[in-house]
Amino acid sequence: QSVLTQPPSVSGAPGQRVTISCTGSSSNIGVGYDVHWYQQLPGTAPKLLIFGNTNRPSGVPDRFSGSKSGTSASLAITGLQAEDEADYYCQSYDGSLSGSVFGTGTKVTVL
Amino acid sequence: EEQLVESGGGLVQPGRSLRLSCAASGFTFDDYAMHWVRQAPGKGLEWVSYISWNSGSLGYAESVKGRFTISRDNAKNFLYLQMNSLRAEDTALYYCAKDTSSGGYNWFDPWGQGTLVTVSS
Repeated sequence: QSVLTQPPSVSGAPGQRVTISCTGSSSNIGVGYDVHWYQQLPGTAPKLLIFGNTNRPSGVPDRFSGSKSGTSASLAITGLQAEDEADYYCQSYDGSLSGSVFGTGTKVTVL
Repeated sequence: EEQLVESGGGLVQPGRSLRLSCAASGFTFDDYAMHWVRQAPGKGLEWVSYISWNSGSLGYAESVKGRFTISRDNAKNFLYLQMNSLRAEDTALYYCAKDTSSGGYNWFDPWGQGTLVTVSS
C-alpha cells in the first residue's frame, strides 16, 4: 500500500510541459523529509532523476525539474520528448513507518 | 562505475524459503546503507527493507515483517535478503539499491537489474 499518491497517467504532445504531483502527509513530506524522483523506462530498472526535492544528477537534462511545498511535491517535464515516455515514481522517508515510501507511480505518454 | 548485481531468484512453492544476494562493486560498500525494493508484475515500486552501513539499524515494510531478514557482509561486499514463509503476493522483481547515506534515509542510486521471484505451486 503506497503512502504517496500520484496521478496514474499524464500525457502531452512533443514540446509541451507536463507535471506530476506527489501527495504525502505529515509523517513524510509534510514533516520535512526530502522527495526524490525516479524514471523507469520499459523493461529497465528505475533510474534516479531528481534528488533532495530539486537537484538533478549529472547527465539528467534540465528539462526535468522538481519542487516541494507543504505535504506535496511535483516533477515537471518541459519540452516533452518521445524518449520521456516512461513510468515516474516519487520517494520519501516516513517517520511513522520508519522506512522509505514510494509513490503510486505515473505513466507519462507522449502523444 | 558503481554496480549492483542481484541473484538467487526463481520459482518457489508457497510456504518455502529463498535467499537473494546482491553483489556490490565500484564503491566503498561499508560506507552506505542498502535497500531491497520489489515490483510485482505490472505494478509499482514497493520498498521492502533497509540495513544501515554497520547493520546496526534495520527496517522492514509491514508486508514482510517477521518473514524476511536483511543482512550484509561488508568483507565480501554482499547484501542479502532471506525470505521465509513465502506467499503468492511476494511474487515480484526484487531490486537492491544503494542509499546515498549511511543511515538509510536518502535517495537510491544506483539500482541493480533485479532478480525475479515467483511464488507458485
